[in-house]
Amino acid sequence: GAVVSQHPSRVICKSGTSVKIECRSLDFQATTMFWYRQFPKQSLMLMATSNEGSKATYEQGVEKDKFLINHASLTLSTLTVTSAHPEDSSFYICSATLPGQGGGYTFGSGTRLTVV
Amino acid sequence: GEDVEQSLFLSVREGDSSVINCTYTDSSSTYLYWYKQEPGAGLQLLTYIFSNMDMKQDQRLTVLLNKKDKHLSLRIADTQTGDSAIYFCAEVRDYGQNFVFGPGTRLSVLP
Repeated sequence: GAVVSQHPSRVICKSGTSVKIECRSLDFQATTMFWYRQFPKQSLMLMATSNEGSKATYEQGVEKDKFLINHASLTLSTLTVTSAHPEDSSFYICSATLPGQGGGYTFGSGTRLTVV
Repeated sequence: GEDVEQSLFLSVREGDSSVINCTYTDSSSTYLYWYKQEPGAGLQLLTYIFSNMDMKQDQRLTVLLNKKDKHLSLRIADTQTGDSAIYFCAEVRDYGQNFVFGPGTRLSVLP
């Protein structure tokens, strides 16, 4: 079935550095990908919708200069957390719409970011 | 297989009960979740169940867990038009390291 591979699964970085998270569709073309963030014991919050070849659409309250999203190809979307701070520590997950089924989504396995 | 599976579509009449089913694969999953996604919004956590429970009720929502069959269901009593959304089940694998979602069930509530 359609699979989205997300890497890394865990990353620890120092404050002030940048971290890139990749989501890759392995056997289908993902024209649209979604990036979510989960705060502890809370729901997944949609951060942005990423469309191949165009700028991402960010949800209200999400800093686009801090969370850079690039969707340069039909199989790869990246989220870069720039100048990371401890409050950016969270679980980030991507998803893509399943092709040709009229519905349904496939999710990456998530990335747990810890900023120290 | 490795997937969390759900039916993609469900239609019910307003006032009826909805039952959304999910099968998962990892018997070591300690938490199983149900999320709701309304159009244009993020995933809202509806409820979750610990793997040592077989039922959890929260107002109109009832979650049933059959560990033997690795089957999870979400029952919505007295379904309303506002319940129209996509519902995702998810399991946490690898001792909390990985979330695995089903493809989502699109619930349509007919008047």
